[in-house]
Amino acid sequence: DTGVSQNPRHKITKRGQNVTFRCDPISEHNRLYWYRQTLGQGPEFLTYFQNEAQLEKSRLLSDRFSAERPKGSFSTLEIQRTEQGDSAMYLCASSFGRSITGELFFGEGSRLTVL
Amino acid sequence: GQNIDQPTEMTATEGAIVQINCTYQTSGFNGLFWYQQHAGEAPTFLSYNVLDGLEEKGRFSSFLSRSKGYSYLLLKELQMKDSASYLCAVKRLTGGGNKLTFGTGTQLKVEL
Repeated sequence: DTGVSQNPRHKITKRGQNVTFRCDPISEHNRLYWYRQTLGQGPEFLTYFQNEAQLEKSRLLSDRFSAERPKGSFSTLEIQRTEQGDSAMYLCASSFGRSITGELFFGEGSRLTVL
Repeated sequence: GQNIDQPTEMTATEGAIVQINCTYQTSGFNGLFWYQQHAGEAPTFLSYNVLDGLEEKGRFSSFLSRSKGYSYLLLKELQMKDSASYLCAVKRLTGGGNKLTFGTGTQLKVEL
């Protein structure tokens, strides 16, 4: 399978714990995005990387959220001191910078439940 | 800021045609996407418009009017498997590159 891969697919944690999600983009894609989606809503932009550089971060994102893409390949999204409001599907997407459309290819997502 | 509006829900009959509208207000507009998302699955790409007019792709067509900030997705010969959420997403050129902002999605239910 050469699509965007995310793991874990599901994570249940207690409030206050830290969680980390991993995303492996399509190999030739240099752009990587993290989105968050709650039930009945569209994906909400969190952050964006071009290669290893984090170029934009949503103002809605608190300091408890951090993302890295150390070698310009896979990325991690860490949430510290989780809160119940963090419960959502975390979607990763990648795209090829030279694509005419800039189409995003999404992974299956990592569903977080904070108890 | 940005604002993307689309109906929350629509219902249509198998074999019929349905049009899902999307209006948007944004700066730095650089294209509009439609994605399909089945429950519990990832969004998948349907169409892309950057110039005014109609793009046709099999049973699916998408229209864009940049001056009106308006797009629609037209689905013909509806099938039960078309029951899904349809997401309108605006691509905006920012300092860091292109960014997609999604609407809340239109939940389409196809009935017999």
